[in-house]
Amino acid sequence: GENVEQHPSTLSVQEGDSAVIKCTYSDSASNYFPWYKQELGKGPQLIIDIRSNVGEKKDQRIAVTLNKTAKHFSLHITETQPEDSAVYFCAAERRDDKIIFGKGTRLHILP
Amino acid sequence: EPEVTQTPSHQVTQMGQEVILRCVPISNHLYFYWYRQILGQKVEFLVSFYNNEISEKSEIFDDQFSVERPDGSNFTLKIRSTKLEDSAMYFCASSPGTGRGSYGYTFGSGTRLTVV
Repeated sequence: GENVEQHPSTLSVQEGDSAVIKCTYSDSASNYFPWYKQELGKGPQLIIDIRSNVGEKKDQRIAVTLNKTAKHFSLHITETQPEDSAVYFCAAERRDDKIIFGKGTRLHILP
Repeated sequence: EPEVTQTPSHQVTQMGQEVILRCVPISNHLYFYWYRQILGQKVEFLVSFYNNEISEKSEIFDDQFSVERPDGSNFTLKIRSTKLEDSAMYFCASSPGTGRGSYGYTFGSGTRLTVV
């Protein structure tokens, strides 16, 4: 079945710098890749997604890239702010439509 | 913005007891899911539900688990005889559609289940 690997597990970034989280997936038939942000005590919130017919998507300070050939996708956050501190999960949708999550990256924005 | 609502937010139960976790999905959504997150670990799929039946379940979703949509709005997860290892956050999610290139899920805020 689908397997989603996510790195790093923890990331500390100075406020104002950029953060990059990387994921790989195994099922070449997956074609939908959402990213979720989970704040303490809350459920995962969809922040951005990308479909396989697109290589890059941007929404203000957040961008995602997808390399279908290599089965890599990444989340880029620029000009990081304290409120970006959270756990971020990448995910991939399998052919049977079940979303499989990565293990998460705990992002700390340092003052 | 429409929300998925879960109750209770926190439930403490004795080992061996039955618990029912409740969810109200977004009203025009057709697909419903339960996921589980053990403290500090990844979000794991439990079960998906469509058209009043289970469409897929994981190996975690054994005979002690069941789901039900008793009326037009609620979606429940029942754990029949709780074990210590069932302690986790349980998230309900719903989606308007599915299929390749789908819509993403909306998650509830979760129910923290503590089995003592």
